Amino acid sequence: DQQVKQNSPSLSVQEGRISILNCDYTNSMFDYFLWYKKYPAEGPTFLISISSIKDKNEDGRFTVFLNKSAKHLSLHIVPSQPGDSAVYFCAASARAGGGADGLTFGKGTHLIIQP
Amino acid sequence: EPEVTQTPSHQVTQMGQEVILRCVPISNHLYFYWYRQILGQKVEFLVSFYNNEISEKSEIFDDQFSVERPDGSNFTLKIRSTKLEDSAMYFCASRGHARPEAFFGQGTRLTVV
Repeated sequence: DQQVKQNSPSLSVQEGRISILNCDYTNSMFDYFLWYKKYPAEGPTFLISISSIKDKNEDGRFTVFLNKSAKHLSLHIVPSQPGDSAVYFCAASARAGGGADGLTFGKGTHLIIQP
Repeated sequence: EPEVTQTPSHQVTQMGQEVILRCVPISNHLYFYWYRQILGQKVEFLVSFYNNEISEKSEIFDDQFSVERPDGSNFTLKIRSTKLEDSAMYFCASRGHARPEAFFGQGTRLTVV
């Protein structure tokens, strides 16, 4: 049962353009969402997060949008740079800031930035 | 910048052997986790640990697995009798109290032969 779904295994974007990575979830109890970036042979690196009480969070080139009614979130990267090429994981948590609940991850989207 | 460190980076073990994976979480963090990623698959939650006890565990974390915080800095994952299907990258993570962003170590690649 995939509670967090990333339906695009890979995405290719030209350098300088906008990259949009999508994520859907099914568990209504999720109240905090995170994006992680992962290079081969390294651990996931935290990028940006959003609480369910917000619909947008921005940090530099990265913006996360949350549509609670659609149970959908997206990560926008603009402008895309070659160093952004990595696997991006969407993750969700059901107890924001409180308990010790683990993260549920999606399968990841491999973003390839082409020069 | 503080980081989560894991040792060893790669461990090869024979099926049926016990293995201990080690982690040093970020020093002021209170919540500790183990995750694993089988090659080509998603990152999967194994267990969370808080206040010196397991607070949550997944179906994967069966009786063959155990975790321990033997002192104030280390956090270990033990697999008692390894199976071929335990081969994966194992990630340790930790987080502070106020926010749910967990910070991950570089991982230990476990290969069971």
